[in-house]
Amino acid sequence: KQEVTQIPAALSVPEGENLVLNCSFTDSAIYNLQWFRQDPGKGLTSLLLIQSSQREQTSGRLNASLDKSSGRSTLYIAASQPGDSATYLCAVSARQLTFGSGTQLTVLP
Amino acid sequence: DAGITQSPRHKVTETGTPVTLRCHQTENHRYMYWYRQDPGHGLRLIHYSYGVKDTDKGEVSDGYSVSRSKTEDFLLTLESATSSQTSVYFCAIGQRSGDTGELFFGEGSRLTVL
Repeated sequence: KQEVTQIPAALSVPEGENLVLNCSFTDSAIYNLQWFRQDPGKGLTSLLLIQSSQREQTSGRLNASLDKSSGRSTLYIAASQPGDSATYLCAVSARQLTFGSGTQLTVLP
Repeated sequence: DAGITQSPRHKVTETGTPVTLRCHQTENHRYMYWYRQDPGHGLRLIHYSYGVKDTDKGEVSDGYSVSRSKTEDFLLTLESATSSQTSVYFCAIGQRSGDTGELFFGEGSRLTVL
């Protein structure tokens, strides 16, 4: 059974800092990996989708990498802003989507 | 934003009563999913649909049933609600399965069973 782990569970950083969120998974036979953002009381917003054949994807200040062989993905956020405060979830796709429990990010002004 | 509407957004009900949650999409995506989100458990798949009248069970399907009579609507029914079904329920849509492609989520329906 696929298991997805996100460390740390919570992170607090000052505004302007570059940061890395981690996601690990146990079964490397995946189709893709997706990063989501969830604001309190809201649904999930898709940030980046990395296909299994890809190594990374970029969108604005966000960069996600994927290393299938080691079962790891990272989400890099450059020049963090208070508006980036949210919970970030990763999910891996292998027949069905399996989610991690998320990293709650707080960016302090 | 993907056109996904969940209703109701909030509901309080009593144990033993039936509850139906509705997910409506305007994207014409083939695949629709119901998840529940609970502290300590993350998001877990309840049921999904891969076409009109085609549905299958997910990880936590006991106590839930679904129906999809039209491409745009996916209903989740709790035949007899229990307190353990208190949760936030999310609908998601996607264009592919297996390789699920990108999933888009609704705003969620918060259900409280007293």
